[in-house]
Amino acid sequence: AQSVSQHNHHVILSEAASLELGCNYSYGGTVNLFWYVQYPGQHLQLLLKYFSGDPLVKGIKGFEAEFIKSKFSFNLRKPSVQWSDTAEYFCAVNAPRNTGTASKLTFGTGTRLQVTL
Amino acid sequence: GAVVSQHPSRVICKSGTSVKIECRSLDFQATTMFWYRQFPKQSLMLMATSNEGSKATYEQGVEKDKFLINHASLTLSTLTVTSAHPEDSSFYICSARPALGAGEETQYFGPGTRLLVL
Repeated sequence: AQSVSQHNHHVILSEAASLELGCNYSYGGTVNLFWYVQYPGQHLQLLLKYFSGDPLVKGIKGFEAEFIKSKFSFNLRKPSVQWSDTAEYFCAVNAPRNTGTASKLTFGTGTRLQVTL
Repeated sequence: GAVVSQHPSRVICKSGTSVKIECRSLDFQATTMFWYRQFPKQSLMLMATSNEGSKATYEQGVEKDKFLINHASLTLSTLTVTSAHPEDSSFYICSARPALGAGEETQYFGPGTRLLVL
């Protein structure tokens, strides 16, 4: 079974600070990796995704993530956070559809990011 | 594109009544939709996978007779919470995955439905 770990539960940063949120997964085969963001009172939105190819993935709003297969990691980064980045961030993983599974998403527990002015 | 809607956005009901939540993919067809439950300050927990034209697949521990899922078309899935009790109060979220052939593994999420059972 798949599992996803997000070790940072609550992160507080000042504006302009750099961000790195950790995500590690456990799965024995090929995976698709996602970061979703949930702003206060809003629904989940896709930040970025990795299916294959370049392990450094760029997403919306200046976020990027790097897939390191040897470490089973997919950490999220942003060089300079803004107050508007305050939100809950979820890492998720599923198996490719052609593996015959239902491609169910397994979510990490989430990281609450608070950016102060 | 890739917009998913849910209706209602919030509902309050009396214990023992049934509540139906709709999930629609507005600008794409979805052979598969997923229903999640999110508790306050916690992650999303998958309840069931809904496939168009077939029975839903429920996760372990989820009562299929209590949480009825119907995926009648490629753009609509419904979740009915039958004989709701206060412990069913939660935030229910659906997601939809574009149909096979679109080359898309991404799930797009609805805005969620907050259910409060009194």
